[in-house]
Amino acid sequence: EPEVTQTPSHQVTQMGQEVILRCVPISNHLYFYWYRQILGQKVEFLVSFYNNEISEKSEIFDDQFSVERPDGSNFTLKIRSTKLEDSAMYFCASRGTGPYEQYFGPGTRLTVT
Amino acid sequence: AQSVTQLDSQVPVFEEAPVELRCNYSSSVSVYLFWYVQYPNQGLQLLLKYLSGSTLVKGINGFEAEFNKSQTSFHLRKPSVHISDTAEYFCAVSADHTGGFKTIFGAGTRLFVKA
Repeated sequence: EPEVTQTPSHQVTQMGQEVILRCVPISNHLYFYWYRQILGQKVEFLVSFYNNEISEKSEIFDDQFSVERPDGSNFTLKIRSTKLEDSAMYFCASRGTGPYEQYFGPGTRLTVT
Repeated sequence: AQSVTQLDSQVPVFEEAPVELRCNYSSSVSVYLFWYVQYPNQGLQLLLKYLSGSTLVKGINGFEAEFNKSQTSFHLRKPSVHISDTAEYFCAVSADHTGGFKTIFGAGTRLFVKA
């Protein structure tokens, strides 16, 4: 069964550094998403991406965040200058053309020290 | 905008007992409803989904949920739980406000199954 993959599984970085989290969505999916889960809290929507542009973003997704689909397979989330409060699990998800469920990747745990 | 309320933050239950995890939602448009399970230090696994049709939906691991439009609820049930069901359960809704169908999650319910 096709699945969403994410790399790395765990990323440790120092405050102020840039990080790029990578995702490979399911190959025939057209809608892509990033979510964040701070430890012990609920999963929060960050951004949705379709047709090479952001279709919606949350208040969390400020100018420090950006997304890109650099080629036909990868979908990336960049945090320009990480803060301690960016420490969280980041989930990528993708969806096909119908209003069906999103398929989530296993997540990248980001630790900012 | 839509929102999800999970009425119980923690539910302790004995093994082989039935359990119900409650979820209410609000939305100004038609929604699609989901339950996800998250085991410690793992990702999100889809348990079941309601898109349309029968209001009683069956999922994996013996779970089922009933969509009640008048009460705006989507409670999750299992007639007999196992120790291995101990996990965090998230109710979620998805609706097309902008064409993106983002998913909004509830705060989660921690199910703790005791021997």
